[in-house]
Amino acid sequence: ILNVEQSPQSLHVQEGDSTNFTCSFPSSNFYALHWYRWETAKSPEALFVMTLNGDEKKKGRISATLNTKEGYSYLYIKGSQPEDSATYLCASPTNAGKSTFGDGTTLTVKP
Amino acid sequence: GAGVSQSPSNKVTEKGKDVELRCDPISGHTALYWYRQSLGQGLEFLIYFQGNSAPDKSGLPSDRFSAERTGGSVSTLTIQRTQQEDSAVYLCASSLMSGTGGRDTQYFGPGTRLTVL
Repeated sequence: ILNVEQSPQSLHVQEGDSTNFTCSFPSSNFYALHWYRWETAKSPEALFVMTLNGDEKKKGRISATLNTKEGYSYLYIKGSQPEDSATYLCASPTNAGKSTFGDGTTLTVKP
Repeated sequence: GAGVSQSPSNKVTEKGKDVELRCDPISGHTALYWYRQSLGQGLEFLIYFQGNSAPDKSGLPSDRFSAERTGGSVSTLTIQRTQQEDSAVYLCASSLMSGTGGRDTQYFGPGTRLTVL
């Protein structure tokens, strides 16, 4: 993996469904991995900053895991709600502050 | 407290004109970042400031783009001789930068939507 890649590009689920998506990043020279939620007409909102292999972070119904050796992170949403509808971005920064973003996964939760 | 603010929120300009975009970071945040999102594209890193210094300017798309930060606070992104491909949403973010650049939580402003006619 040379760039940050996210899959799937979009996801449509029903309210109450649990879902997950993937961020793949270069495993060499790993420094950190950021997850953001970006709702339409709003600013990106930081969800998690992950730095250690095996990290697992949780914020309400949203959690994320990190595998730096194989270069991937999963974001999980348990019991999706319509207000979870947004684009979820991951980004891999260098220690010089330069971030490479994935193209995002756009989640739509239908009531 | 106050978040990151950006001005103007919208800017429409004619091709060839210069524009200045402003970012006011959260008070006390020493790191400041500029990004842009062009239509149909992902978020693109432009430049990062640690204090008033920008250690990496390689993200700026061309020499028509420049950025400065004075007093460790407000930053201005200037685009000279704007082109239609410069049309995008320009986002600014700031972070505490506790000596571990790239690992701090970044707080984003509302963005400036630039349209070049």
